Amino acid sequence: NAGVTQTPKFRILKIGQSMTLQCAQDMNHNYMYWYRQDPGMGLKLIYYSVGAGITDKGEVPNGYNVSRSTTEDFPLRLELAAPSQTSVYFCASSSQSAANTEAFFGQGTRLTVV
Amino acid sequence: AQSVTQPDIHITVSEGASLELRCNYSYGATPYLFWYVQSPGQGLQLLLKYFSGDTLVQGIKGFEAEFKRSQSSFNLRKPSVHWSDAAEYFCAVGARYSGYSTLTFGKGTMLLVSP
Repeated sequence: NAGVTQTPKFRILKIGQSMTLQCAQDMNHNYMYWYRQDPGMGLKLIYYSVGAGITDKGEVPNGYNVSRSTTEDFPLRLELAAPSQTSVYFCASSSQSAANTEAFFGQGTRLTVV
Repeated sequence: AQSVTQPDIHITVSEGASLELRCNYSYGATPYLFWYVQSPGQGLQLLLKYFSGDTLVQGIKGFEAEFKRSQSSFNLRKPSVHWSDAAEYFCAVGARYSGYSTLTFGKGTMLLVSP
């Protein structure tokens, strides 16, 4: 009963490095999302996907890329990491749009860029 | 554009006391409203949601929320708080944003429970 699994849980990057945050769900959900959470700011949508092969930008997409080759996986790529990308990243999935149904969240990846 | 305001950043409640967390939203149409809870080191979990019908909705863990259209509010309540309720609580509205539907979250209210 895994739900949404994110790896890694913690990571420290140097400025200019790149990395991929992994996200996998086993609920056969079509909709998947990446959010970032900054202290006192709530969650902001980075990218979302409505199915395999379909992705689109959210509110704060700059500096990130995504792909969705399968229903289960939705990795988030950071190229040229910057201190402004220090944040906690959450992946989520839902059977329909999260605007009108329950979204299931992973435990998060805490990323620090130094 | 839609927005969600949670006016209280932190709230401290004694164990066994009642709780009310405030949430106000701004949205032009009938909103879909949610409360999510985030325990330390965890992801978000849905407490309850309102789509239509009865304006008082029941959720998990003994929480309830009341939708008041005239006040654009969706306040979360619990009659008796337990120490395990200490967490961060997020109100969210489901709406369209620049061509897609998504959740817009408030900034959260951190609940501290004192013995």
